[in-house]
Amino acid sequence: KQEVTQIPAALSVPEGENLVLNCSFTDSAIYNLQWFRQDPGKGLTSLLLIQSSQREQTSGRLNASLDKSSGRSTLYIAASQPGDSATYLCAVIKETSGSRLTFGEGTQLTVNP
Amino acid sequence: NAGVMQNPRHLVRRRGQEARLRCSPMKGHSHVYWYRQLPEEGLKFMVYLQKENIIDESGMPKERFSAEFPKEGPSILRIQQVVRGDSAAYFCASSSGGLPYEQYFGPGTRLTVT
Repeated sequence: KQEVTQIPAALSVPEGENLVLNCSFTDSAIYNLQWFRQDPGKGLTSLLLIQSSQREQTSGRLNASLDKSSGRSTLYIAASQPGDSATYLCAVIKETSGSRLTFGEGTQLTVNP
Repeated sequence: NAGVMQNPRHLVRRRGQEARLRCSPMKGHSHVYWYRQLPEEGLKFMVYLQKENIIDESGMPKERFSAEFPKEGPSILRIQQVVRGDSAAYFCASSSGGLPYEQYFGPGTRLTVT
């Protein structure tokens, strides 16, 4: 059974700080890993998708890495801003589970002005 | 270039009533997924559909829940005889169906059962 774990569950940082969110998964046989952002009461916004053959993806101030063999991914946010405050979710698609996403519990990020 | 659309955004039902949640995928997408987010819990897969076919319903509760994606029109998640435990946010996602299986999510329907 695929399990996805995110650490820490919550994080509070001052504006301008660089930060790293962690995601680990038990089954390394994955097609891809996606990072999402969820604002309170809202839907999910896809941030980055890393295919199993890739090591990292970058978009603006965000950089996501994937180490498939060790079952780990990190989301690096540079120069954090109050607008980055949200819950960040990682999710994987297992090779043996069709194309459904298995989500972690999320990291709730607060960036203080 | 509309994204995934869901309606209604908020739905209130009394215990025992039926709830119908609708999802229109992104243009060009023919694969739809439904996920549920219970209060204080993570997102859980419910069902995966293609046009006129249920591909994977391994996450659906055995009773009262059903889903369809007809040839024409939106995908519908139907909950019969709702109970308070059904109160949750229900999210729909769509994809083109090919690798890398990237899914795009709608804004969700928040169901409250009173």
